[in-house]
Amino acid sequence: GQNIDQPTEMTATEGAIVQINCTYQTSGFNGLFWYQQHAGEAPTFLSYNVLDGLEEKGRFSSFLSRSKGYSYLLLKELQMKDSASYLCAALDSNYQLIWGAGTKLIIKP
Amino acid sequence: DAMVIQNPRYQVTQFGKPVTLSCSQTLNHNVMYWYQQKSSQAPKLLFHYYDKDFNNEADTPDNFQSRRPNTSFCFLDIRSPGLGDTAMYLCATSSGGPLTDGYTFGSGTRLTVV
Repeated sequence: GQNIDQPTEMTATEGAIVQINCTYQTSGFNGLFWYQQHAGEAPTFLSYNVLDGLEEKGRFSSFLSRSKGYSYLLLKELQMKDSASYLCAALDSNYQLIWGAGTKLIIKP
Repeated sequence: DAMVIQNPRYQVTQFGKPVTLSCSQTLNHNVMYWYQQKSSQAPKLLFHYYDKDFNNEADTPDNFQSRRPNTSFCFLDIRSPGLGDTAMYLCATSSGGPLTDGYTFGSGTRLTVV
């Protein structure tokens, strides 16, 4: 079956760095997305990786290893507004998104 | 700004009373999706349209129907809502082409069935 695993909850300190891991098993693979979702709001797009390696976008970076079925989202210089759920989603061979349940990130002052 | 708009933002409906949620987009995207998301769970795809081609997920209950009268609009009809249908309903679009910008989501409709 198809499956996405990511931690349920993480806590970090304002100004620090946090890495949110995601492992995936899908029928075929056409890329991996990270979305940010604040409570009660829609997901917003953060990143898309289809090739191995690190993609950097400001304070956020995303890494992919296709051979390991593994990705992580790295958040630097954490701000209180980064408190949200972070959803990992993989695109399968039919271009359907397979979603993880999300990682709730709690930022403490 | 080009965007995906969902109405209403909040909806309360009685058990068994039909309800319709709407989604419109100004992005001219070919593909529109409806997701159901329950608290602390992953979004669950209900169906999607590629242009006028309708694709129903195998485990989407018959109680859920959808219409896409034109490129800009898509509707989700719940014929007889049950208490278990209380959830956030998310509409999303994609161009059907390169995925580097991901899917664009509307703000969602939070449906409560009482």
